[in-house]
Amino acid sequence: NAGVTQTPKFQVLKTGQSMTLQCAQDMNHEYMSWYRQDPGMGLRLIHYSVGAGITDQGEVPNGYNVSRSTTEDFPLRLLSAAPSQTSVYFCASSYSRMGLSYNEQFFGPGTRLTVL
Amino acid sequence: KNQVEQSPQSLIILEGKNCTLQCNYTVSPFSNLRWYKQDTGRGPVSLTIMTFSENTKSNGRYTATLDADTKQSSLHITASQLSDSASYICVVSGMTTDSWGKLQFGAGTQVVVTP
Repeated sequence: NAGVTQTPKFQVLKTGQSMTLQCAQDMNHEYMSWYRQDPGMGLRLIHYSVGAGITDQGEVPNGYNVSRSTTEDFPLRLLSAAPSQTSVYFCASSYSRMGLSYNEQFFGPGTRLTVL
Repeated sequence: KNQVEQSPQSLIILEGKNCTLQCNYTVSPFSNLRWYKQDTGRGPVSLTIMTFSENTKSNGRYTATLDADTKQSSLHITASQLSDSASYICVVSGMTTDSWGKLQFGAGTQVVVTP
């Protein structure tokens, strides 16, 4: 199993450009999520999905869109990149939801994004 | 204010020595607490998961403790190795009825093990 994969590993954008960060998992997990990690701060939830066709906003959703057409894939779209979106982005998946369940969340290797 | 505070922010230890990292949280009601290890340039990897009824959980040279009454957890690294150099993140899960659950991430403690 490849686990959770993310592409690209690095990306530089200019302000106003759009792009899609790809995330895929091969563990048949229903729950997938996107986080951003900034220096000195904990990971913050951007968007999440509890199954194909179902997505919802997390803590910091502004400027990002997601869709979930299959169980395996959960792409994150930046609509119009801004310097404040410079960050490291992590995709994660789990078998069930985090709040009440005793399960493990698997993270991808991350995408380091710089917006100039 | 972050509901999960970790200390110290960073520490340097000699190879072979022990160290203890602290995590204080205010998340309530509480479901479970996790410790992750994040190597530079990689995603976090789970070390331990503890529910409110568990006091200690080990994973090799890593031992996590939990005091749910005082809302404190610690991660003890025994006989440190160079490969232990990483950021260690404390994550607390709140008990909710929504479809996702509520995770609060600490900012992490950066550990550097020197020869």
